[in-house]
Parts: sequence; structure tokens; C-alpha cells
Amino acid sequence: DTAVSQTPKYLVTQMGNDKSIKCEQNLGHDTMYWYKQDSKKFLKIMFSYNNKELIINETVPNRFSPKSPDKAHLNLHINSLELGDSAVYFCASSQDQRALNEQFFGPGTRLTVL
Amino acid sequence: ELKVEQNPLFLSMQEGKNYTIYCNYSTTSDRLYWYRQDPGKSLESLFVLLSNGAVKQEGRLMASLDTKARLSTLHITAAVHDLSATYFCAVDIQGGSEKLVFGKGTKLTVNP
Repeated sequence: DTAVSQTPKYLVTQMGNDKSIKCEQNLGHDTMYWYKQDSKKFLKIMFSYNNKELIINETVPNRFSPKSPDKAHLNLHINSLELGDSAVYFCASSQDQRALNEQFFGPGTRLTVL
Repeated sequence: ELKVEQNPLFLSMQEGKNYTIYCNYSTTSDRLYWYRQDPGKSLESLFVLLSNGAVKQEGRLMASLDTKARLSTLHITAAVHDLSATYFCAVDIQGGSEKLVFGKGTKLTVNP
């Protein structure tokens, strides 16, 4: 029944490690997004993909690499994790970003880098 | 660069009272969205406003959009405790990558 799902929900790891977060949507949407929400609750877009094609690539370190194997999945891989990467990462999807960009969010992944 | 400003950022109100949250943005757009976030939870879509003068209502919440003033309001009528949450507005940058730019959020606490 879940519309946008993410795994894992919590991720605690050491500095320097590499980790991945997975996202899947079963809404049949064409566009998927990754957002970062910092400790002050500020939400900022990182990437978006439309039908497996990268269309938004904000200024984020190149340690972050999104991958979309198909339009229902958008994964986020992070290399060489740093303390400042600690945040909640949300995946979202929308049906048609040009006509109606209503985005539906996943439950979030709380990443803690020690 | 599009700036989206919400005020107030923190709002504490009594049950039964009315109040308005404001969302101003700095560039032309006629698509604005309101979201609700409960502590530790995801964002839930509340309203989608797609044209000048759009007004949407759901229960005790009513949202409106004035694209000429670049202003949206979220009005709370007769607040109840269950409305306590953080409310975000988001504006769509059109004509380019159609990304959403979020305001900083308004943390609403409704006290009995």
C-alpha cells in the first residue's frame, strides 16, 4: 500500500564509510527526487530524475551519486561520509512536474555520521 | 535565485483562536504548495494552488494565493491541538527545471 518507501529508516555509520539509501515508488510517477533536511528542518532539493534521466543536480558534493535503475526507483549513494552529512534524507515523487508538481514524500532516512 | 520566506517561524496559539501564516516569494510563479510535517515524520501534501486567486479549504485550514503580491496565506480557524505541526510552503520555479523551493517552515503549537 505504501506509495513512496525508503530503506533504511535509520542509518548510523562512521566517518569515511560509504552508504546507500534506496527509494521506491508505486504511484506510477515519472519524476523522483532526493531532498536533504538539516537539523534546523530546512529542506533542500539535491537531485531529480525524470524517467531515469537526471534533470536537477543541485550543488552537492560529488560524493553523492544518485542512480535510477528504472522510473520507480531512485537510490542515493554517498561516499566518504562526513559529519556534516548527518541529516534526514527524503525521497519524493511526482506524476508530471510540468503540469502539476505535487510531490509525495517518503518516510525519510535519518543518517547519523559519527 | 528564488527566495521563499515564511512568517512567523514559530507560532504558539490557544485552542479556539484564529491565525494566519504567511508565505512570500521573490520571483514570478503561479504554483504554490503547502505541506505539513509532524515531528519525526514525513511531509504530507495539504494544498496545491495553481493560479492567482486560488483558494482551497480543508477542515480548519484555508490556503490562498495572490501571484501579483507573490504571497500565499494559510489561515487557521478555531485551532485544535491536532493541528500542532510544522507547516511548509513551497514554490515551483517554472520555465526551467520545475524544482520546488521550500520556506523554512512554521512550527505551530496549539495549547489547550
